[in-house]
Amino acid sequence: DAGITQSPRHKVTETGTPVTLRCHQTENHRYMYWYRQDPGHGLRLIHYSYGVKDTDKGEVSDGYSVSRSKTEDFLLTLESATSSQTSVYFCAITRTLTEWGYTFGSGTRLTVV
Amino acid sequence: AQSVTQPDIHITVSEGASLELRCNYSYGATPYLFWYVQSPGQGLQLLLKYFSGDTLVQGIKGFEAEFKRSQSSFNLRKPSVHWSDAAEYFCAVGGGNAGNMLTFGGGTRLMVKP
Repeated sequence: DAGITQSPRHKVTETGTPVTLRCHQTENHRYMYWYRQDPGHGLRLIHYSYGVKDTDKGEVSDGYSVSRSKTEDFLLTLESATSSQTSVYFCAITRTLTEWGYTFGSGTRLTVV
Repeated sequence: AQSVTQPDIHITVSEGASLELRCNYSYGATPYLFWYVQSPGQGLQLLLKYFSGDTLVQGIKGFEAEFKRSQSSFNLRKPSVHWSDAAEYFCAVGGGNAGNMLTFGGGTRLMVKP
């Protein structure tokens, strides 16, 4: 399996606090993505990166920021967590879609209370 | 804009019966199409993909899917379902956009009756 890990796996945080989720890959893939998964909505793209320090917004980027200072790490930050950001967050990587599509991490379950 | 619709939120089939999960997409160019499966509490695993060529593609675990451009569909099929196939299934579309971004459908949850 491709080397992609997410941390933490579970987190409970209070409304208004900052939260950072980490995605780490050992595959040297160029593209990295953050999705959130909510019942009935499937997976929705939050932000993505196409290289070191190159990032862009996805469909549901409000309230989130990202950073990629190294090829292997892609951080997702909730500046001030809200209850609507309670979700399961998945990181994904790819070299190009025509190879194997995306490879996903195991997810981070975030609860904002 | 690209989009994916999976009309069936839940499907229940008996073990050994055939299965078809529907997927309709909207995409402005030739799409890349994928099916992923997610077991409870797990990440997503790629079942199969279509980029070009033969419109009937084979995947892992005995699944196949057929690309029908005229119907903008990419339905997933399996001739005989096993209890271990109970999971959630996601269809996704992407293609030549600069970020290699995939858009996912809302998912279909499959339950298998003994």
